[in-house]
Amino acid sequence: DAKTTQPPSMDCAEGRAANLPCNHSTISGNEYVYWYRQIHSQGPQYIIHGLKNNETNEMASLIITEDRKSSTLILPHATLRDTAVYYCIVRVASKGGADGLTFGKGTHLIIQP
Amino acid sequence: GAVVSQHPSRVICKSGTSVKIECRSLDFQATTMFWYRQFPKQSLMLMATSNEGSKATYEQGVEKDKFLINHASLTLSTLTVTSAHPEDSSFYICSATGLNEQYFGPGTRLTVT
Repeated sequence: DAKTTQPPSMDCAEGRAANLPCNHSTISGNEYVYWYRQIHSQGPQYIIHGLKNNETNEMASLIITEDRKSSTLILPHATLRDTAVYYCIVRVASKGGADGLTFGKGTHLIIQP
Repeated sequence: GAVVSQHPSRVICKSGTSVKIECRSLDFQATTMFWYRQFPKQSLMLMATSNEGSKATYEQGVEKDKFLINHASLTLSTLTVTSAHPEDSSFYICSATGLNEQYFGPGTRLTVT
């Protein structure tokens, strides 16, 4: 799986949009970009994933650059409960859940009141 | 979304004893389950992959005789930490594959005294 690079930490004001970047310059054509988050002392939670088109669900939006070398996770209206470590993971989705995930250090997003 | 539970959520045991942690997929059948370990201020590290009815596959550096994994049914996998030592104290998290995604349990905090 391709390697990802994320800033170690970010702050965002409550109610504002939180934009979390991720670089994955070595991504392969069949690799998807996945985002998970981990709230303190809990298991990771799936957020969203995409291949090359932008994706949106009830939690977030995922913007993938045209060359697919980077992406941005957007939480449109951040709340205090969004404070967590956010992990960007690149993997081959065709394997489904057949392989374990490789977690990097992620971005610790802190939502400020 | 799919629900994965773990039991117990927290356990304290004496050095030299064994501890069993259960991971259950509550509303779906999981042919594959994974076990991760997370030390304080670190990211999740995959320990092993567990397939129903077959032997688990361990990651490099994980002792299979120390961390016994049993996946006897499509909804239950167990991790037994044998002869636990203080350095085994960690946050143990399982995940289960369902609908081509991985769903994580809430984690088990193990403290070995």
